[in-house]
Parts: sequence; structure tokens; C-alpha cells
Amino acid sequence: DTGVSQDPRHKITKRGQNVTFRCDPISEHNRLYWYRQTLGQGPEFLTYFQNEAQLEKSRLLSDRFSAERPKGSFSTLEIQRTEQGDSAMYLCASSPGWNTQYFGPGTRLTVL
Amino acid sequence: DQQVKQNSPSLSVQEGRISILNCDYTNSMFDYFLWYKKYPAEGPTFLISISSIKDKNEDGRFTVFLNKSAKHLSLHIVPSQPGDSAVYFCAASAGYSGGGADGLTFGKGTHLIIQP
Repeated sequence: DTGVSQDPRHKITKRGQNVTFRCDPISEHNRLYWYRQTLGQGPEFLTYFQNEAQLEKSRLLSDRFSAERPKGSFSTLEIQRTEQGDSAMYLCASSPGWNTQYFGPGTRLTVL
Repeated sequence: DQQVKQNSPSLSVQEGRISILNCDYTNSMFDYFLWYKKYPAEGPTFLISISSIKDKNEDGRFTVFLNKSAKHLSLHIVPSQPGDSAVYFCAASAGYSGGGADGLTFGKGTHLIIQP
């Protein structure tokens, strides 16, 4: 069990650029979640996959945000036309079932 | 409207004493509760959880208490150690009813500082 990994750990981009983050869950975890955390707040749920199916995406912050998990293993989160308000920590978590989620180290995004 | 509230932004406790972190929730559909610990620049680390069918769960130095009627839970750390200094998040899930599809709802966290 190597834990949840995320890449990159840090990303600095200019406003208007597209960015993509990758998450590799714990092997055999069929559930994968994306969260955003801003300063002074707890993580905020964005979207959820069970295997390759995206079962909840209404909480994505805008239509500039999209996520995929094409083969039910790793997942990507893309933000198009980034804005300064998108600067945050993006966290991925995986779970073998409906309960405990295990988080990765996060990707810190800075939009200049 | 915050469904999970941690009303103490910070808490300072002497090493060796008990640390008590509190959490309140408003959503009656929540049936699974978790505590996570977070160091700066890292992701949250799972500590302990409790299902709504229980009122206490213990794991080593960590004990979580759940009072469903008051919609309140607390995390006790005994004895507190310097390595416990971190931000602690309370989280809740409508797991059984929601199938986990809503993800976890987190409080804003409590910064625990263990004084030597």
C-alpha cells in the first residue's frame, strides 16, 4: 500500500491557462474523490467516481472544471481558463467503500 | 450554511494533559463521522471514525465520542504529545443513506498546539 499520490505537488500558472492534475489512488480502491481546500477552510467536495463512472459532479465549481477516470484507476482534474480565485490546494482521496477516505498530499495551484 | 462546525479555531494544551476537540453538526442525515489530522503542505491523515450506531470509539490515545441527540462529537487525545500539534478536521458523511456520493463535509478545523 503506497498511499494516494498526486502530481504535480505544486503548479504555478498564469491566468487564462489550462491546468491538469493527476491522482493515483490506493490500488483496489474503487472510489475516488476530488476536493478543494482554500486558506482557513476545510476541504470542499468537488466530484466522485466509482470505478470509471462519475456519479456526482454537480459540486464542481463551474463548467471550467472537469474530471475523468478513464479506466477506473488514475484520475485527472482539469481547470480551463484559470482565474486567480482558483488558487487553492486540490486534494484527491480514495476509498474501498462508502466510509473512510484516504487523502493524497495535494496539488497546490497558484494562479498569477 | 455550515453543516459541520468546529467553533474553536485554536486550542493550546500542555504536554501530557488531555486535549478535547469539539465538533457540531446540523444535518440529521449524517451517519458516519471522521477526524483527520493535517500538517502544513500535506494532505489530511485519517485518525479515527465513528458510526452513528455507536457512541464511542477508541484507538490508542484517541477516543471519539458521539452524542446524536445533541448532534455533537468530540475527539479526546490522552496523553497529548508534541507531535500532536497540527490542524484537526471533523468530517461527516451520509454514507449509508447517500452511498458516499456526496463526499465528506468538513469543518474549518481546530489548530491544536501542544506546549512542552
